[in-house]
Amino acid sequence: DGGITQSPKYLFRKEGQNVTLSCEQNLNHDAMYWYRQDPGQGLRLIYYSQIVNDFQKGDIAEGYSVSREKKESFPLTVTSAQKNPTAFYLCASSIRPGGNEKLFFGSGTQLSVL
Amino acid sequence: GESVGLHLPTLSVQEGDNSIINCAYSNSASDYFIWYKQESGKGPQFIIDIRSNMDKRQGQRVTVLLNKTVKHLSLQIAATQPGDSAVYFCAGGAASGTYKYIFGTGTRLKVLA
Repeated sequence: DGGITQSPKYLFRKEGQNVTLSCEQNLNHDAMYWYRQDPGQGLRLIYYSQIVNDFQKGDIAEGYSVSREKKESFPLTVTSAQKNPTAFYLCASSIRPGGNEKLFFGSGTQLSVL
Repeated sequence: GESVGLHLPTLSVQEGDNSIINCAYSNSASDYFIWYKQESGKGPQFIIDIRSNMDKRQGQRVTVLLNKTVKHLSLQIAATQPGDSAVYFCAGGAASGTYKYIFGTGTRLKVLA
C-alpha cells in the first residue's frame, strides 16, 4: 500500500524536552510538508521540502526543526523553544513541489504537554 | 490578508438528502483548489480537486463548483450517508509564487438518521 506513515499517533512532551515526529512516504514524492492543526483554525505550514537535502521555513517555523536526508523521510523535531506545542501535527506530500499539486496527508500525530 | 474560509461551522443534513458546503477565497492568484474530508483524530482525506480553467468537476457522489468571479467554491455531496459525517475543508493553491496552500477552517457535516 502506498501512502504516508506518521508515528507515533500520540506523543507527550515534558518541559524542556525535544521530541521528534516521524514521517515516511513510499509514494516517491519529491515534496514533503509539515502542518500544524489547532482546533477551529486552518492548517498552518511549519516547514516544507522540495527535494532531498533542501527545506524551507513555513509560516510558523519558530521552535521547530526538520531534516530531509532521504527522499522518503521528513522528520519534525519540536524543540523546547516551542512554548505552545500542543496540537495535531500533519505530514503531507506531493509528487512535485508547487501550489497546484495534489497534496496527500498522513494520519497525524497528537502532541500534548505533560 | 490571504484567507480561505467557510460560511458555516456546522451543517446538519438528513440522510439521503444532498449536502452543499461552501468556501470563499480571497487570493485572486489561487488557481487550484482541493476539498478534504477529515474524521476525528485522523488525517485529511483527499476528495476532489479543481483547477481554475474549469467551473465544475464531478466525482463519485461529489461535485465541486468554482465561481472565479465571486471567488467561491462549493462541494456538493449527493445522497448524504452517515459515513459522510466529518469535517470538510477546502484548500487553495497557486501554480506560481510560493509553494503554499491556504486552508479553510472547516465545516462539520452531521448526517441525521
